[in-house]
Amino acid sequence: EAGVVQSPRYKIIEKKQPVAFWCNPISGHNTLYWYLQNLGQGPELLIRYENEEAVDDSQLPKDRFSAERLKGVDSTLKIQPAELGDSAVYLCASSPQGDGELFFGEGSRLTVL
Amino acid sequence: GEDVEQSLFLSVREGDSSVINCTYTDSSSTYLYWYKQEPGAGLQLLTYIFSNMDMKQDQRLTVLLNKKDKHLSLRIADTQTGDSAIYFCAESIVDFNKFYFGSGTKLNVKP
Repeated sequence: EAGVVQSPRYKIIEKKQPVAFWCNPISGHNTLYWYLQNLGQGPELLIRYENEEAVDDSQLPKDRFSAERLKGVDSTLKIQPAELGDSAVYLCASSPQGDGELFFGEGSRLTVL
Repeated sequence: GEDVEQSLFLSVREGDSSVINCTYTDSSSTYLYWYKQEPGAGLQLLTYIFSNMDMKQDQRLTVLLNKKDKHLSLRIADTQTGDSAIYFCAESIVDFNKFYFGSGTKLNVKP
């Protein structure tokens, strides 16, 4: 069974440029999460989807961040415009509904210059 | 938000036991988890314990939960160099689709 797939693995951009990350969760997993992981820190939730509905986006900086999961399967996280402080790893995770175990992708490492 | 605290570093010799500690603040935690992160990779679930349990053993891993003190520990027996990684403690609160992670403990295993 394929795990959670994220792309790109690495992205380097200049500040004020846009960037997008893509995530394909494990087949059949209804719940999808985007987490932000700063260097030396644990993951912090940005947004959680149940199927195509964003059920928790309270920590998403909505002035520059957006996310979508149109058909309840894969998801895109966008930052526009990027700032220096956005340099971090963006992790996608999924779980079967009601299961409680998170399956993580390898992450997308963003460097903003 | 919920506060999950861990020490930053632990160094042990190969073959010794490692004990990684974690404290949390929310007494309504449903499950408590230990995740492992190797360099350049995502987090991988190692083990978890339900909040009404005191202990769980899984091969070389032993999880101890002291709910009164809100203290969780992970013991790795016969630690190997392949166990070198960052270990994250996490809790889920009531609605266990919400997870809160500690900052991670970097385990270094010396040959």
